[in-house]
Amino acid sequence: NAGVMQNPRHLVRRRGQEARLRCSPMKGHSHVYWYRQLPEEGLKFMVYLQKENIIDESGMPKERFSAEFPKEGPSILRIQQVVRGDSAAYFCASSPRTEETQYFGPGTRLLVL
Amino acid sequence: DAKTTQPPSMDCAEGRAANLPCNHSTISGNEYVYWYRQIHSQGPQYIIHGLKNNETNEMASLIITEDRKSSTLILPHATLRDTAVYYCIVRPIENSGGSNYKLTFGKGTLLTVNP
Repeated sequence: NAGVMQNPRHLVRRRGQEARLRCSPMKGHSHVYWYRQLPEEGLKFMVYLQKENIIDESGMPKERFSAEFPKEGPSILRIQQVVRGDSAAYFCASSPRTEETQYFGPGTRLLVL
Repeated sequence: DAKTTQPPSMDCAEGRAANLPCNHSTISGNEYVYWYRQIHSQGPQYIIHGLKNNETNEMASLIITEDRKSSTLILPHATLRDTAVYYCIVRPIENSGGSNYKLTFGKGTLLTVNP
């Protein structure tokens, strides 16, 4: 049973470019959560999605950030017009139901030059 | 706002038991205690969770005090690969305003296992 998959593992972008981060949940999990970890800080919740629905995006910056979890395919976290402050590790987690344990992927490390 | 307090760092000798404490004095009766760890440059790894009773799995044991205000994660025979930041998280059982899916990670305890 494969765990949560994320790609790419490392992503380098120049300021103003777009970053697309992908997350495939564990088999049988329909709930996906994105967290961000800034350097030397703990993980912070960004957004919670179920298939085709955004349930809670309260932790996501209002501008430039968006997330989706289509009926088919992985969940996508999209960051438009990246700035240096977006450099961080972005982790995705999944669970079979809201109240159950979240399992994390290996993360995508975004570096904005 | 982490509802838990953990020492910033601990050392343990390889092969010995590692006992990681966590204070959660404001925990309520409908909140779990969860433990995750994060090995350098990897994603958080779920370890164990409990409500009232002590729990054990293949990775660790969780001892929760009777008043539930603190707990201890025990790695019975620490290895070098157990060097990581360990996070203790309080998590509501039921969803109330989104509180049970927004995991709150504090600074955790950096456990260093020495040869």
